This record gives sequence, structure tokens and C-alpha cells, in this order.
Amino acid sequence: AQSVTQLDSQVPVFEEAPVELRCNYSSSVSVYLFWYVQYPNQGLQLLLKYLSGSTLVKGINGFEAEFNKSQTSFHLRKPSVHISDTAEYFCAVSPITQGGSEKLVFGKGTKLTVNP
Amino acid sequence: EPEVTQTPSHQVTQMGQEVILRCVPISNHLYFYWYRQILGQKVEFLVSFYNNEISEKSEIFDDQFSVERPDGSNFTLKIRSTKLEDSAMYFCASSVSGATQYFGPGTRLTVL
Repeated sequence: AQSVTQLDSQVPVFEEAPVELRCNYSSSVSVYLFWYVQYPNQGLQLLLKYLSGSTLVKGINGFEAEFNKSQTSFHLRKPSVHISDTAEYFCAVSPITQGGSEKLVFGKGTKLTVNP
Repeated sequence: EPEVTQTPSHQVTQMGQEVILRCVPISNHLYFYWYRQILGQKVEFLVSFYNNEISEKSEIFDDQFSVERPDGSNFTLKIRSTKLEDSAMYFCASSVSGATQYFGPGTRLTVL
């Protein structure tokens, strides 16, 4: 079974400041890793993903994340945030299997609030 | 850009009534999923569907729930007899290969 821990439930930052949203996971098998963003009253939008290859992945809106296998982490970063980045961010994993239809396991989410 | 669509956006029903939530996955996708998010809680997996059958279901997905792909485009979630605790946002997702899932905007179900 997999589990995902997002260490911060809320992160307030000022506009143009850097931000890091932390995500750790546990799994007995290899996993794919994802970050999704949910803007107020909207659905889940894929921000970025790690399937294989380079451990530093870049996503939309200037976000990036780094997969660290030894620390089982997949932290999300942005060097300079905007007011429009205010949203809830979800880290998720799915186990890599031959079946190919594995479920996503989500963390509890981190609410990022960007203040002027 | 192709998107997953869901209807209705908000459904209000009385306890004990049947509801059907509808989803149109992205057209060339083969894997389909339903998730739910109770207010203030994490997103939870309900069921996955591939090749016209359920691949996996969670403990939440009991006999009151069913899924169907009635034609080549729609994917539905039926709750036979709704309970108060079924009130949640229900998300449909689809995937080409089962790796990356794309989500719809959700249906907010309110059971009174």
C-alpha cells in the first residue's frame, strides 16, 4: 500500500517570495509521482509529474519538483510566486505495475496563500 | 486541448434517492476512474475501469455504487440509495495508458 504525507496544511507567503511545498511518500514498490493544483471551486489540474528519467521535473506556471528516492520525497518549488498561485496543492503517487490502471493515492493537500 | 467533462456541476438529492453522475472522458483514453472528496478531506479513490470492466475498487465502493460505460463516450457513476455521508465532490478522471490521469471539474453532490 502507498501513503502520502504533506507536512504543511497551510503555507502563507508574500508575493514574489520563493515557496517549497513538501511531500513525502511511502511505498513498497516503485511509484509515479504527481502534483495537482485545485483553484477555488474548480477541479484538479495536473501541475507536473515524474514517471522516469531526470529527477528534476518542470511543470506549468513556473513550478518544478525534485524526486529524491533515498528520502522518498517529491517537494514542489517555485522561485517567485504570484497572487494567482493561491490554491490548494495535492501530492499524489501511483504504484508502477504491469496492469497500468493503478489508482492515485493523494496527500491531504497544502493550501498556499499568496499575500500582496 | 481535450478535457474531461462532467455533468451536472451540482446535484441536490434526498436521502434514499438514486443519482447518476455523468462523465465524458478524453476521447482516446482507455482508463477511467472515479474519486471523491468530502469537504475538507483528501481526495479518495473509488473505482477504476478498463476494457469494459472494473479493474479495482476501494472499500468505499460498496453495493450501492455502480459504474457503466453505456456508449463510446460516456462513463457514469450510479449511487442507488444515497446517504447523507455520500455528500462530496465527485471527480471523474481518464488516462491513455494508466500512468497520468486527467481530471474533470467535478460534480458536487449534496444529500439532504
